[in-house]
Amino acid sequence: GQQVMQIPQYQHVQEGEDFTTYCNSSTTLSNIQWYKQRPGGHPVFLIQLVKSGEVKKQKRLTFQFGEAKKNSSLHITATQTTDVGTYFCAGPTGANNLFFGTGTRLTVIP
Amino acid sequence: NAGVTQTPKFQVLKTGQSMTLQCAQDMNHNSMYWYRQDPGMGLRLIYYSASEGTTDKGEVPNGYNVSRLNKREFSLRLESAAPSQTSVYFCASRRAGSSTEAFFGQGTRLTVV
Repeated sequence: GQQVMQIPQYQHVQEGEDFTTYCNSSTTLSNIQWYKQRPGGHPVFLIQLVKSGEVKKQKRLTFQFGEAKKNSSLHITATQTTDVGTYFCAGPTGANNLFFGTGTRLTVIP
Repeated sequence: NAGVTQTPKFQVLKTGQSMTLQCAQDMNHNSMYWYRQDPGMGLRLIYYSASEGTTDKGEVPNGYNVSRLNKREFSLRLESAAPSQTSVYFCASRRAGSSTEAFFGQGTRLTVV
């Protein structure tokens, strides 16, 4: 079955430092989605990437989809305490299901 | 607009007890999902329903049953709870198709003792 792995599992950064999480799928994905879960909260959709090599930006967040459509990354520039949470990637294996990665838990030290 | 509503928010069960987690969405979505979240394991798909009247197994279906009662509601049942089912359960929904975003409920924190 499909596996979606993320690294690292945990990351502690000083406020102002950059942060990157990587997502790797065992199969080619038609698209990849990213979600953020604040501590004690539920996952909230951030963005979707569809095209091979696609790069999208949301303020300090940069999302990238690999050329082979099997990996993706999320980079946060100059982290802030509001960035704290767990970041998940997710990819479909068919028309209807949605498999999530293992997540990267980000802690930002003020 | 309530989005996805899950009940209850918290539950403690004794081993062997049964219970049903309820989920309802008011966004007219076709697809609904149940996930469990455990430390270091991410969100694992238990069951999903592509449309009213259909359900399919996900990664970890053992010990669970589901019912897609109508387009709005998708319930998850634990027939005989086990400590290994201690987890946070999330219901989600989205429009049909592989490129639509999922909306999550607030989650149910279940402890089986």
